[in-house]
Amino acid sequence: QKEVEQNSGPLSVPEGAIASLNCTYSDRGSQSFFWYRQYSGKSPELIMFIYSNGDKEDGRFTAQLNKASQYVSLLIRDSQPSDSATYLCAVNRSNFGNEKLTFGTGTRLTIIP
Amino acid sequence: EADIYQTPRYLVIGTGKKITLECSQTMGHDKMYWYQQDPGMELHLIHYSYGVNSTEKGDLSSESTVSRIRTEHFPLTLESARPSHTSQYLCASNPSAAGIYEQYFGPGTRLTVT
Repeated sequence: QKEVEQNSGPLSVPEGAIASLNCTYSDRGSQSFFWYRQYSGKSPELIMFIYSNGDKEDGRFTAQLNKASQYVSLLIRDSQPSDSATYLCAVNRSNFGNEKLTFGTGTRLTIIP
Repeated sequence: EADIYQTPRYLVIGTGKKITLECSQTMGHDKMYWYQQDPGMELHLIHYSYGVNSTEKGDLSSESTVSRIRTEHFPLTLESARPSHTSQYLCASNPSAAGIYEQYFGPGTRLTVT
């Protein structure tokens, strides 16, 4: 079992709809969770992080964390063509002072105009 | 947010050459990382550093080496480049405050070894 799992997609969503991206992780002691957006040929860009159970909203983006189910998701409201990218889920390992992230393989999102 | 710089952005080089990929950041971050990413594939951590004179190997075995003589500078060196080293190399850094784990990436170096 991979430490961080994502559906590779592609996920196609009509413009203006809600895109829902999912991620599961295996280390129950993980404390910090991140979503990165990566355009083709570019480097990852941090868009959201969440540390506590529940929802965290930032503009059109909402991150949801459920530690009991070891599940983190990203919702993108009012999807725009510019949201078309690969979205990487990353998880901080639980060892104290260990600031290493484990990345999933990413979900490729396509917004259809 | 960190300002992280990588040079060169693109490099095409012949087999057997020695190369150094530069990474520098201007935010005084203690923690820096090198990742390798093939097209459409996941990121693999190959080296990291938690401060000056501190370097560790990452999860993916790599023939590259790194050094950390200054806080702002974390270069990666390949003594003898091979076609198998063709990949994108991404440098990242992390604010030094306790409990802050997010990493910020530089623009990357796309390396092609012919």
